[in-house]
Amino acid sequence: GAGVSQSPSNKVTEKGKDVELRCDPISGHTALYWYRQSLGQGLEFLIYFQGNSAPDKSGLPSDRFSAERTGGSVSTLTIQRTQQEDSAVYLCASFLGRGLAGGRETQYFGPGTRLLVL
Amino acid sequence: DQQVKQNSPSLSVQEGRISILNCDYTNSMFDYFLWYKKYPAEGPTFLISISSIKDKNEDGRFTVFLNKSAKHLSLHIVPSQPGDSAVYFCAARGQGGSEKLVFGKGTKLTVNP
Repeated sequence: GAGVSQSPSNKVTEKGKDVELRCDPISGHTALYWYRQSLGQGLEFLIYFQGNSAPDKSGLPSDRFSAERTGGSVSTLTIQRTQQEDSAVYLCASFLGRGLAGGRETQYFGPGTRLLVL
Repeated sequence: DQQVKQNSPSLSVQEGRISILNCDYTNSMFDYFLWYKKYPAEGPTFLISISSIKDKNEDGRFTVFLNKSAKHLSLHIVPSQPGDSAVYFCAARGQGGSEKLVFGKGTKLTVNP
């Protein structure tokens, strides 16, 4: 596809359930981010994948959160035992990859997944 | 502690006038700044950026000004158009290998016809 896609677009779940959020980055982009935006807040960095390097997980708020990126393309963000405070819009972004195009690069965002934990 | 602050949650201007959106940061290690625009139910889209070695960058109706000594940047939109109505996020990136973006909370701009 032409842009970053995310699924589902909306997810309602019950407290304590696990959820999986999917991100399809732009083809050829080696770098991928997950952010979340809680109500009234800015975007909060969660995790960063760059090629085959170990991911930067420093933004994950707890060990209930995990993410993987299979084959250097699709990424899945998993939230286990969801809590009400996990309700937010989860955004994925990708870019070509540091150094491949020289200089700083623009991150391209997907439309987000709106998660509501009841 | 918020490293990037957008102190105005909303701004309303008349079509044709100038819109000025402000952003302050606290981390002197930031060396690259970006503005993103976000419409409802869509992801943010890149608008304009500026490196810390510059004090101004212009792209059509959009100009970003950077005052490093004050740790302040601003986005000017002139003339403002109703289609510019959106939430604008200021973001900053650190030096060296860090590619993380630190975002402000956003300013909702409304341009009235």
